[in-house]
Formats: sequence, C-alpha cells, structure tokens
Amino acid sequence: SYEVSQPPSVSVSPGQTASITCSGDKLGDKHISWYQQRPGQSPVLVIYQHNRRPSGIPERFSGSNSGNTATLTISGTQAMDEADYYCQAWGSSVVFGGGTKLTVL
Amino acid sequence: EVQLVASGGGLVQPGGSLRLSCAASGFTFRSYWMSWVRQTPGKGPEWVANIKQDGSEKYYVDSVEGRFTISRDNAKNSLYLQMNSLRAEDTALYSCAREDWYSFDSWGQGTLVTVSS
Repeated sequence: SYEVSQPPSVSVSPGQTASITCSGDKLGDKHISWYQQRPGQSPVLVIYQHNRRPSGIPERFSGSNSGNTATLTISGTQAMDEADYYCQAWGSSVVFGGGTKLTVL
Repeated sequence: EVQLVASGGGLVQPGGSLRLSCAASGFTFRSYWMSWVRQTPGKGPEWVANIKQDGSEKYYVDSVEGRFTISRDNAKNSLYLQMNSLRAEDTALYSCAREDWYSFDSWGQGTLVTVSS
C-alpha cells in the first residue's frame, strides 16, 4: 500500500520560515493537501491542490510539490501556528502522513 | 456555517457491531462526496470510506472492506457507517468529513469507538 512520511518534529523561531516535508514515491503525481490540528480539535485544511489556500487561511501558508517531495511552508511563523501538521496524498487511494509537530520556540 | 455532527460511538466487544451517524447542515449535502476518517491518539488520520453524491459509488480502505458499509440519506442530510465484525484495531475517533478538490475541507468533531472485551 502507498505510504507517505513526514519528520516527527520541526522547530522554528517566531517570525522565521518553517518548512515541513512529506515524502512518497512519485508524490508529484498525486493531489496533495495539508492539515493543521491543534490539541483536542479536528484537523483544519490549510493547503489543497498542492498550493491553494482555503478561504480564511493566512497567506503565510503555502505549498509546493515536485518529484517525491511536497513541502508546506509557513512564512513569518507565529506562536498560534504551533500545532501538528499532516500531509495527505490522493491518488488511487487516500493516505495521510504520520504528522509533524511544529514547535515555535 | 458547515456543521458535521457525528454520533453513535461507544464501547463494543470484539466481533460486535455499531452504526455511526453524521448529521450535516450549513451546505447542500447532496452535492458533495462524503467520507469517514478515523484517528487514534498520537497518529495521523486514516481515511476509512467515502460515498458519491447519489450513493452510487462507495470506496473503502482495505482493512475495513467487507466489514464496514457507508451509506447516506440525502433527504435527511445524513451520513452513516455500519461497522460489523469489529476488531481492537478499529478503536479510534471516527469523524465525518466533506470532500472537495481531493481534500477534506470540513470535519466533524468525531465520535469515539472503543473495541474491547
């Protein structure tokens, strides 16, 4: 079965840029989405179709996807961005990554 | 405002059955594919099943194929998941989610299913 992998944790200083990666075979051929999940809450879609932002998601969230790696980039990271982030790949099946805990130090 | 409210979870013995429901409001339910997604603490979500707008197409993750059945009632704006032959590994928080553009753009709060003797 298809799998995607994410680093367990990423740390960033306030105001800096955070990059969270998602890796999988031929990931560039799949539809990639990213979700933010704060403790005790349901996931929130922050990026879909590789680099599109839903209404209400700040411009500092962006995405890219090429080859075997997709990347979620958060520019000017704020304390409120501290959360778990999950990538999701949609091809012949739907799979989620194991999540990356973003810590804003 | 989109609202998805799941219910029907609980404690069930291995081999038992449960039926989950999801009440949708705030959008035209019959216009969207809908999914069930589950999640265990500390792990990523796992897509379980989805269903086309008119119910004519249904898809399942391999681990539940033949045991779970997804259905919907567009007149009642409701989504269902019938779960049979439950196993310990099915223990999770089950959420209904609306699909759009190959993503899940709205999630419910979830209902907890615990399979244990």
